[in-house]
Amino acid sequence: AQKVTQAQTEISVVEKEDVTLDCVYETRDTTYYLFWYKQPPSGELVFLIRRNSFDEQNEISGRYSWNFQKSTSSFNFTITASQVVDSAVYFCALREVGGSEKLVFGKGTKLTVNP
Amino acid sequence: KAGVTQTPRYLIKTRGQQVTLSCSPISGHRSVSWYQQTPGQGLQFLFEYFSETQRNKGNFPGRFSGRQFSNSRSEMNVSTLELGDSALYLCASSLGEGYNEQFFGPGTRLTVL
Repeated sequence: AQKVTQAQTEISVVEKEDVTLDCVYETRDTTYYLFWYKQPPSGELVFLIRRNSFDEQNEISGRYSWNFQKSTSSFNFTITASQVVDSAVYFCALREVGGSEKLVFGKGTKLTVNP
Repeated sequence: KAGVTQTPRYLIKTRGQQVTLSCSPISGHRSVSWYQQTPGQGLQFLFEYFSETQRNKGNFPGRFSGRQFSNSRSEMNVSTLELGDSALYLCASSLGEGYNEQFFGPGTRLTVL
């Protein structure tokens, strides 16, 4: 069965601090996709990144970086030099390959960046 | 390119009533998925439609149903509403090839009184 665990329910940091959001997943499939989404107070989920199970390269996009480690079934997300606008709920999600777009989400981590 | 649109944005209903929510996907996207978001259960998959066919279904009672039209627009219906159906209902669209990202709409906030 698929499962995504985001152990950190809430994180609070001060602006310019670095913060890492943890994501651990479970799947029996060897081929799968992992995603991160951001949900600001407005409610709409915003796509951040997709990673497939065969690509373990870390990725950096501006202040955002992702660390995918298959050995530990983790896909962690780091925000460098956090800003107030980064305040949101962040979701990690898993999709197994099999003819469906179904995403299994973690419970989310609420990040508050204080000025 | 216009994003995913959902109507209505807010809805208030009473127990026992039924409700229909609408979702218009991004142009060219053939897959539409629906999710229910509640504080207790988080984001849960309801169902996915691809080319007018239901391709996958989550673990929800039969009161929850949906359909997709030939222009890829989708509707979901909830009959005999219960208090526990109060939630944010999110629609997502994608190309539907299994590896694409899904793009989400702003959601419909349903309150059942």
